[in-house]
Amino acid sequence: DGGITQSPKYLFRKEGQNVTLSCEQNLNHDAMYWYRQDPGQGLRLIYYSQIVNDFQKGDIAEGYSVSREKKESFPLTVTSAQKNPTAFYLCATHSGGGRGSTGELFFGEGSRLTVL
Amino acid sequence: GQSLEQPSEVTAVEGAIVQINCTYQTSGFYGLSWYQQHDGGAPTFLSYNALDGLEETGRFSSFLSRSDSYGYLLLQELQMKDSASYFCAVNGRGGGNKLTFGTGTQLKVEL
Repeated sequence: DGGITQSPKYLFRKEGQNVTLSCEQNLNHDAMYWYRQDPGQGLRLIYYSQIVNDFQKGDIAEGYSVSREKKESFPLTVTSAQKNPTAFYLCATHSGGGRGSTGELFFGEGSRLTVL
Repeated sequence: GQSLEQPSEVTAVEGAIVQINCTYQTSGFYGLSWYQQHDGGAPTFLSYNALDGLEETGRFSSFLSRSDSYGYLLLQELQMKDSASYFCAVNGRGGGNKLTFGTGTQLKVEL
């Protein structure tokens, strides 16, 4: 099936530990994104990548890192420098299309990280 | 920067019509999108307005007025399954198809 797979679905971490969230897609989309969602709030952009081997910071990149070595994969590492990492993390893709696109993002099912 | 405001919660009865508003402040954008998210799930795309006016997609319609910095999502013939959170989002002119999301509106549909 075509889609976006995020893993793990639930993750617990002790303070001071780094953790990596996986995002894999088989939609053949060029652009990939990581958003963070806190309870009762909207989505905030962490990082995005428009093409392999290139990525840019979003609005809340501090304490996070990413890589884009393959078109299909865009893992997110939550580092110990992130002061409040407990949140719901959503990976998304976009098919491209520039100004004429609908702006439609396709989302994975999310990873819920809890720091103990 | 960009900011989008929505009411935090709206309640309506099954079969009714409900309007969810989105007011925004932005330096410029290509279009306004709407997404639905059920509890703990993935947001799913509902509608997009690139131009002012009404876009209709089945029971859902979306409206945009750039002169008023305002848009809304209209849901008709409400069903219990429409209980979810709804987010507006703008596709900014900074490139990369980055979306900035609103604060979200939780819709509760009652019998």
